[in-house]
Amino acid sequence: DTAVSQTPKYLVTQMGNDKSIKCEQNLGHDTMYWYKQDSKKFLKIMFSYNNKELIINETVPNRFSPKSPDKAHLNLHINSLELGDSAVYFCASSQDETGELFFGEGSRLTVL
Amino acid sequence: EDQVTQSPEALRLQEGESSSLNCSYTVSGLRGLFWYRQDPGKGPEFLFTLYSAGEEKEKERLKATLTKKESFLHITAPKPEDSATYLCAVQARRWGKFQFGAGTQVVVTP
Repeated sequence: DTAVSQTPKYLVTQMGNDKSIKCEQNLGHDTMYWYKQDSKKFLKIMFSYNNKELIINETVPNRFSPKSPDKAHLNLHINSLELGDSAVYFCASSQDETGELFFGEGSRLTVL
Repeated sequence: EDQVTQSPEALRLQEGESSSLNCSYTVSGLRGLFWYRQDPGKGPEFLFTLYSAGEEKEKERLKATLTKKESFLHITAPKPEDSATYLCAVQARRWGKFQFGAGTQVVVTP
């Protein structure tokens, strides 16, 4: 009965490949997010969806494309991976745009 | 420009040795200030939300306070299980996104 689950937990891939990370929440929340945590532990917002609609799109390369098939799912697809994409990616959800965030356990992406 | 700065970067405590973490922020129109705890290899876990200066929240050995410029997370008589990175985040009224600080890594030794 995990609240926010994301898969896979670990991803190791070569530069230039395409990869996806999936996220699901069973909290009934309306808003979902993707955050990137770099080696210095800063958490930076990438995208936010409210009821399947994109509401926040930070300055992220267009190689990153989020998709929300329904309000319980938010996936992240990354094309043409680069070394600098190596990080931990966290999915999160909140009741609405003002509420506290509930995070998944993270997906550690390593690009070789 | 909105900023969130946490200090110290790292804190090593003996079990029972109380201390405080600082989160300084500059944001126009604060909607809320949030504290999270992050264990290694895990996602951040929500602890508190503070909305206005003077507000205080407590949970077990943790107490969070808020002024117009900063927030403190006080750890009273810490135990080894309090070892974690503590993250502070602010949310402004004009935008929905949360801006996080870099965190304070706390290690409590027996």
